[in-house]
Amino acid sequence: QVQLQESGPGLVKPSETLSLTCAVSGYSISSGYYWGWIRQPPGKGLEWIGSIYHSGSTYYNPSLKSRVTISVDTSKNQFSLKLSSVTAADTAVYYCARHDSSSCLLKYWGQGTLVTVSS
Amino acid sequence: DIQMTQSPSSLSASVGDRVTITCQASQDISNYLNWYQQKPGKAPKLLIYDASNLETGVPSRFSGSGSGTDFTFTISSLQPEDIATYYCQQYDNLPPRYTFGQGTKLEIK
Repeated sequence: QVQLQESGPGLVKPSETLSLTCAVSGYSISSGYYWGWIRQPPGKGLEWIGSIYHSGSTYYNPSLKSRVTISVDTSKNQFSLKLSSVTAADTAVYYCARHDSSSCLLKYWGQGTLVTVSS
Repeated sequence: DIQMTQSPSSLSASVGDRVTITCQASQDISNYLNWYQQKPGKAPKLLIYDASNLETGVPSRFSGSGSGTDFTFTISSLQPEDIATYYCQQYDNLPPRYTFGQGTKLEIK
């Protein structure tokens, strides 16, 4: 059974960098699929942040591209998100998820982690 | 960029009712559309993929249809456990990227 688990600070100061990690179990990242980050501001809808292929190729939401870096560590079977220069608008529940290449089906999700941007 | 317009934003219905949610794309997306259910405090769950295919294990009262720019998600007979927010997801696969609709919050009348 594929499982994903997000971890990282729950509170980040404005202008700093948000850093999260997603640990994957039950499947080897190096075997394939895309690994993505999606966020959801409190009471609002879902926004795709970006995805990384097991080879390391990355794909970002154009609206966030200048601030986002996604990386993968196959030796630890995890992938990470960095979002720089955060503001209160970046406060959200951040989810990691696995999707395929053909239909971007998000079948496996982490439970989500709330990150609040505040001084 | 392709914009998705999902409606209604909220919906109140009775148990046993037929419920319909629509998503409209700003340009032709073929059948590149998936539907998800999200319950409070939980991650979304995939229900329908490629506009009309039922994900394994999802009850048959859920269905999807459409192609091009207009898509419909239907619950044929609303059950109490269907109370949730539903999202459509439009995707491109070369390169992979996707956009969600604004969501429809479904409540029991």
